[in-house]
Amino acid sequence: GAGVSQSPSNKVTEKGKDVELRCDPISGHTALYWYRQRLGQGLEFLIYFQGNSAPDKSGLPSDRFSAERTGESVSTLTIQRTQQEDSAVYLCASSEGPANYGYTFGSGTRLTVV
Amino acid sequence: GIQVEQSPPDLILQEGANSTLRCNFSDSVNNLQWFHQNPWGQLINLFYIPSGTKQNGRLSATTVATERYSLLYISSSQTTDSGVYFCAVESNRDDKIIFGKGTRLHILP
Repeated sequence: GAGVSQSPSNKVTEKGKDVELRCDPISGHTALYWYRQRLGQGLEFLIYFQGNSAPDKSGLPSDRFSAERTGESVSTLTIQRTQQEDSAVYLCASSEGPANYGYTFGSGTRLTVV
Repeated sequence: GIQVEQSPPDLILQEGANSTLRCNFSDSVNNLQWFHQNPWGQLINLFYIPSGTKQNGRLSATTVATERYSLLYISSSQTTDSGVYFCAVESNRDDKIIFGKGTRLHILP
């Protein structure tokens, strides 16, 4: 597509439920990032996919968080047993490669855990 | 890991004023980008600028990689420039993109 697409745009869930967030990167972009942005805060790195290499999961805050990517296309971020502190905007970005390229962000998924 | 510091954290200006936003980073970088996050949360890529100077209309940016800083200049500010400006770097040591905490800019009409 023309840009990075994220769905849903908004998600309200009850504490303890699992949620799945989706990111469709720009076609042909081999690099994909997930970030979290809490209200009024900066962006916090979560996970990075580059082609068929093993993903860099060093930013995932706990084992309740996981992410998958199918080849060089769609990625899903799953949060199990959601907690109120998981409430944030989850942003996905893609790029043509790991270095020396610009990054394009999606509009994010606003997650609210009640 | 690499540290990214942005200054000032907050800036309030009258419409028409000029401003300079700074990004310092603690290690060598492969690339550096400036983003504008508008009041609706959308992140817009302003500049990809690992070194040198670029200009786009009223905005320009300069990165001095050897001294580990970048500057974003906004001239003749407009109310639509309001929002948060983020600097993001990718260090030479890994491929993660690390963001600064941003500069919150508020342009008064």
